[in-house]
Amino acid sequence: LAKTTQPISMDSYEGQEVNITCSHNNIATNDYITWYQQFPSQGPRFIIQGYKTKVTNEVASLFIPADRKSSTLSLPRVSLSDTAVYYCLVGNDTGRRALTFGSGTRLQVQP
Amino acid sequence: KAGVTQTPRYLIKTRGQQVTLSCSPISGHRSVSWYQQTPGQGLQFLFEYFSETQRNKGNFPGRFSGRQFSNSRSEMNVSTLELGDSALYLCASSLEAHREYYGYTFGSGTRLTVV
Repeated sequence: LAKTTQPISMDSYEGQEVNITCSHNNIATNDYITWYQQFPSQGPRFIIQGYKTKVTNEVASLFIPADRKSSTLSLPRVSLSDTAVYYCLVGNDTGRRALTFGSGTRLQVQP
Repeated sequence: KAGVTQTPRYLIKTRGQQVTLSCSPISGHRSVSWYQQTPGQGLQFLFEYFSETQRNKGNFPGRFSGRQFSNSRSEMNVSTLELGDSALYLCASSLEAHREYYGYTFGSGTRLTVV
């Protein structure tokens, strides 16, 4: 499974847009990029997944350049409740169903 | 619909004891995976079960075992507990037969403390 690199931590203020970039240089052709969010003492929660270009849902947007060696999770107008750890995962569901989590990015939103 | 249910939520055990954790997946989900989360090692995959069969296993000692029942509920067991087994144990369930790499729903976990 492709290794991912993310910033360890980020700080923001309420109402700002936050962009978290993930590097995955050895992503395979059939790999998808998936982001999970985790609050303390809870399990990770699926946020968004994409393969290429841009994906948007009610929570976030995911930008993937043409070479797919990186991706950016964009959280519009964050609030205090967005304070969490965000994980970028790269892989595909071809029998290997184990999710490989990196260290994640700890986002702290200030008032 | 109900999410993934893990019981108990908190547990304190003594070194050398054994413990059993339970996970009830979302109705209709046939795959159940277990993860261990510690501050030092982060989230690590333990094993995955599908249709009562262990399909994938992480790099953990044999003291860690699991099983899945015909109703897809799963249990994991840790024997001869060590202090280092203190962690948040998470269960994730998913539908089978989808090609995309998502669809995992996690429970809130069981916080195990070994003293």
